[in-house]
Amino acid sequence: NAGVTQTPKFRVLKTGQSMTLLCAQDMNHEYMYWYRQDPGMGLRLIHYSVGEGTTAKGEVPDGYNVSRLKKQNFLLGLESAAPSQTSVYFCASSPDRLSSPLHFGNGTRLTVT
Amino acid sequence: AQKVTQAQTEISVVEKEDVTLDCVYETRDTTYYLFWYKQPPSGELVFLIRRNSFDEQNEISGRYSWNFQKSTSSFNFTITASQVVDSAVYFCALSEREGSQGNLIFGKGTKLSVKP
Repeated sequence: NAGVTQTPKFRVLKTGQSMTLLCAQDMNHEYMYWYRQDPGMGLRLIHYSVGEGTTAKGEVPDGYNVSRLKKQNFLLGLESAAPSQTSVYFCASSPDRLSSPLHFGNGTRLTVT
Repeated sequence: AQKVTQAQTEISVVEKEDVTLDCVYETRDTTYYLFWYKQPPSGELVFLIRRNSFDEQNEISGRYSWNFQKSTSSFNFTITASQVVDSAVYFCALSEREGSQGNLIFGKGTKLSVKP
């Protein structure tokens, strides 16, 4: 049982480049999330999805786009990377919005130079 | 204002000491859930406990215990007889029924270092 899988684990981008982070879950969860973690800031929600074909903005959505074309996958895109997007990105999933704990992927460390 | 406040940024203790990590939350909902997660140096996020707003019973799991007090809006986490393996960043988080941010709101975390 893989749970939540994020790819890639590490990535270095130059300013202005684009990339897509992939998150896949095999637990048939409706809800999926992308967080970023920065030192001293905790985890901040970027975007989330409440089901296949839906997406919504979180606390820090600027500079990112997401898509949920299939229930098991949640993609996070950076169209034009900036140094401020250097961070560790975590994907998570849950079966409901309120009471269930999140299942997290192992994170992607992104550096933008 | 922060909805989840973990006032202790870093704590350092010596092995076998007891340590309490504080978490204060803010919500107007009557139905909400509180969580604790652990992030060891390897980086993954591990779920520790969930508590709903209607259950103020304290919980103990081995060396870990949690004290939920609605009167002070606190959900504190105590490690008894700490061990080096407890060294990690610990996050407290809040989920509100009427919340507008999708799901969990995290505190900024407390980094616990346990020295041998």
